[in-house]
Amino acid sequence: QQQVKQSPQSLIVQKGGISIINCAYENTAFDYFPWYQQFPGKGPALLIAIRPDVSEKKEGRFTISFNKSAKQFSLHIMDSQPGDSATYFCAASNRGGSARQLTFGSGTQLTVLP
Amino acid sequence: DAGVTQSPTHLIKTRGQHVTLRCSPISGHKSVSWYQQVLGQGPQFIFQYYEKEERGRGNFPDRFSARQFPNYSSELNVNALLLGDSALYLCASSLSGSTDTQYFGPGTRLTVL
Repeated sequence: QQQVKQSPQSLIVQKGGISIINCAYENTAFDYFPWYQQFPGKGPALLIAIRPDVSEKKEGRFTISFNKSAKQFSLHIMDSQPGDSATYFCAASNRGGSARQLTFGSGTQLTVLP
Repeated sequence: DAGVTQSPTHLIKTRGQHVTLRCSPISGHKSVSWYQQVLGQGPQFIFQYYEKEERGRGNFPDRFSARQFPNYSSELNVNALLLGDSALYLCASSLSGSTDTQYFGPGTRLTVL
């Protein structure tokens, strides 16, 4: 099963608040879990990524929490800012043969109110 | 350093026509992947090329084809366009076919009328 399920579909947060986006997967062969940020009319930009051998990774205001047994991972954006307003995609990949292909979630549209 | 570049930015075609989209990877990257992003959805994997060879293919019809050139740039071709092919076509660059990290270009917005 290659699907990655993402929630919520949309999220509204006040400036300074915490934004939390969740993803779940079925394929236990996945071994790389990136998050991408996409602004309207632009391509996805890599935000942060994690491997299943760690439970948490933090980069600035962005943190990934990973629960291998539950097959779930989430993105936390601390001190959310209006400039964070964008669509966020979780993704997962495994090495199939000599190729890596990303399987994306359906996206979360984040709006941070000033 | 230049990131991934794609051309054209926008394209309008009619049903049944053929289209060619182009991508140049980040300097030093030898692998290119193509994704289709329909409005409101996440990108869907189409192809991955590494060292001019196809290394992976997603669940897309044979109307979709691609190739990679000696300078590692790539073309995506779509024949017999359908209305449902309207989407943002994204190119992603990585060091090799097995490298985790993929960097995306700005995409080509294709509209099929």
